Amino acid sequence: GDSVTQMEGPVTLSEEAFLTINCTYTATGYPSLFWYVQYPGEGLQLLLKATKADDKGSNKGFEATYRKETTSFHLEKGSVQVSDSAVYFCALSAFSGNQFYFGTGTSLTVIP
Amino acid sequence: DAGVIQSPRHEVTEMGQEVTLRCKPISGHNSLFWYRQTMMRGLELLIYFNNNVPIDDSGMPEDRFSAKMPNASFSTLKIQPSEPRDSAVYFCASSLRDRGLGNSPLHFGNGTRLTVT
Repeated sequence: GDSVTQMEGPVTLSEEAFLTINCTYTATGYPSLFWYVQYPGEGLQLLLKATKADDKGSNKGFEATYRKETTSFHLEKGSVQVSDSAVYFCALSAFSGNQFYFGTGTSLTVIP
Repeated sequence: DAGVIQSPRHEVTEMGQEVTLRCKPISGHNSLFWYRQTMMRGLELLIYFNNNVPIDDSGMPEDRFSAKMPNASFSTLKIQPSEPRDSAVYFCASSLRDRGLGNSPLHFGNGTRLTVT
């Protein structure tokens, strides 16, 4: 069945460091891929998405490219800020279904 | 766009009591999802509706849990009787699913933090 595997956390980085959070997926057909962010005490917020192979989603300095050949959707940011501290979830939505599949979440802490 | 609205934000109740969580999805969205989040189990899908009809309730943990969607703008998740192990954050999310296409994102509410003592 469809699934998402993302890198275990927690991740601790210094401000202005480069961030990569790995995400790989298993799916039949052509899924849409998403990254969500959850700040403390809040719900999950859509960070970015990509709906077909080679699409790059981007928002607030974060980027992820839909790689069909490696079934990956890694999240990157060139220079993290303290305000980026949150939990990040990779997610997949099957092309023809209602179901969403979430990774286990990766906690990021950015220290000044 | 008011977003997905959940109430209450916090609920503290005693074991054995009935708990009702409420959700108002984004206007125009036709799919609604209930999730539960805990440290131990992460994010779990409990049930989802499409056009007010329950499609998959296989994630509902027990018969003590029930969910309804009487119309397109309102859903409830009820736990009766509640138990301490039900303590978690419960999220409602909605989405626009168009002709089975999978590229519409989920929009989450801010959740209800339930504590059962």
